[in-house]
Amino acid sequence: AQSVAQPEDQVNVAEGNPLTVKCTYSVSGNPYLFWYVQYPNRGLQFLLKYITGDNLVKGSYGFEAEFNKSQTSFHLKKPSALVSDSALYFCAVRDMRDYKLSFGAGTTVTVRA
Amino acid sequence: DAGVIQSPRHEVTEMGQEVTLRCKPISGHDYLFWYRQTMMRGLELLIYFNNNVPIDDSGMPEDRFSAKMPNASFSTLKIQPSEPRDSAVYFCASSKSLGGVETQYFGPGTRLLVL
Repeated sequence: AQSVAQPEDQVNVAEGNPLTVKCTYSVSGNPYLFWYVQYPNRGLQFLLKYITGDNLVKGSYGFEAEFNKSQTSFHLKKPSALVSDSALYFCAVRDMRDYKLSFGAGTTVTVRA
Repeated sequence: DAGVIQSPRHEVTEMGQEVTLRCKPISGHDYLFWYRQTMMRGLELLIYFNNNVPIDDSGMPEDRFSAKMPNASFSTLKIQPSEPRDSAVYFCASSKSLGGVETQYFGPGTRLLVL
């Protein structure tokens, strides 16, 4: 079975400060990891994914994520947060042998001006 | 490309009525997924199709739910009869198999309220 944990329901940061959204995963085989963002009343938008190779993945809107196999983590980061980054962020994992994505519960990010 | 299209965007119905949600995947995508999002349970995969064939429907909550994909450009999720606990946002997503790790692209969702 595969699962994702997002330990923080909410993250609050000031604009211009670094933003980190945490994610840990559990999967039996090699993981494929994803981050999505959801704005109010909208669908999920793809940010980035890790498949293999470089542990630091760069994605849309200045976001990046670092894969750490020993800690089974895939934390999302942005060096300088914007008010427009305020949204709900989901981490997701799938086993390389399966097409089913398992999502975390989501983390609400609020960036204050 | 217009992205994944879902209709209706909002649906309000009464308990016992039949509800049909529709999805048009991105052209050329051969995987289609139906998800349900609630506050209590988060995002759940209900069913997914590959080349119009249902592959895994283990997430379908009960027999009241059914999904079809008659062709590559259209899928429906039907609830009959509907119950208040079915109230949720239903998302459709699609992806294209590229021999690697495909990204799922989500539609805007259908917000269903069963009274």
